[in-house]
Amino acid sequence: DAGVIQSPRHEVTEMGQEVTLRCKPISGHNSLFWYRQTMMRGLELLIYFNNNVPIDDSGMPEDRFSAKMPNASFSTLKIQPSEPRDSAVYFCASGAGGRDEQFFGPGTRLTVL
Amino acid sequence: SQQGEEDPQALSIQEGENATMNCSYKTSINNLQWYRQNSGRGLVHLILIRSNEREKHSGRLRVTLDTSKKSSSLLITASRAADTASYFCATDRAGQGGKLIFGQGTELSVKP
Repeated sequence: DAGVIQSPRHEVTEMGQEVTLRCKPISGHNSLFWYRQTMMRGLELLIYFNNNVPIDDSGMPEDRFSAKMPNASFSTLKIQPSEPRDSAVYFCASGAGGRDEQFFGPGTRLTVL
Repeated sequence: SQQGEEDPQALSIQEGENATMNCSYKTSINNLQWYRQNSGRGLVHLILIRSNEREKHSGRLRVTLDTSKKSSSLLITASRAADTASYFCATDRAGQGGKLIFGQGTELSVKP
């Protein structure tokens, strides 16, 4: 199993640009989570999906952030327009549902100049 | 506010020593999980302890849970340099549908 796949691994962009982060969860997992990690705020849950349906997006910081899960094998997190304070490492994680462990991807390091 | 808070924030020990990290939380939980993160990498699940369990072992790891004190501890025995990483506790709060809340982590350094 390839594990959770995220792309790109690194993204450098300028303020105001649109950024799209991608995630492929582990096959068969029905829960998907997007997190953001910074030194100041630690690891924050942004949004999570169960069976492709957004369950809790209370962690999404602003309307500039949006996430979709069009099918069980793909999700995107979009930031439009991006700002320097969005610079962070964004992790995607998937789980088999219920209250079990989560499997994290390698993360996307986003730098907004 | 953070559900899980670890202490200490940083811990430095010699190889072969035991490392103990603590986690406190505020509300009722279904389970508590510990994760490890090596620098620049994603988190890796180590162990899950359910609210009706008091102690669990996995290899050199021992986790305890005291729901009356709302606290947990992670013990790594006979530490190795390769155990150097950040360790996070995460709580699955009752009524929150499986959402995990992570603490700020303990940075462990094991010196050879």
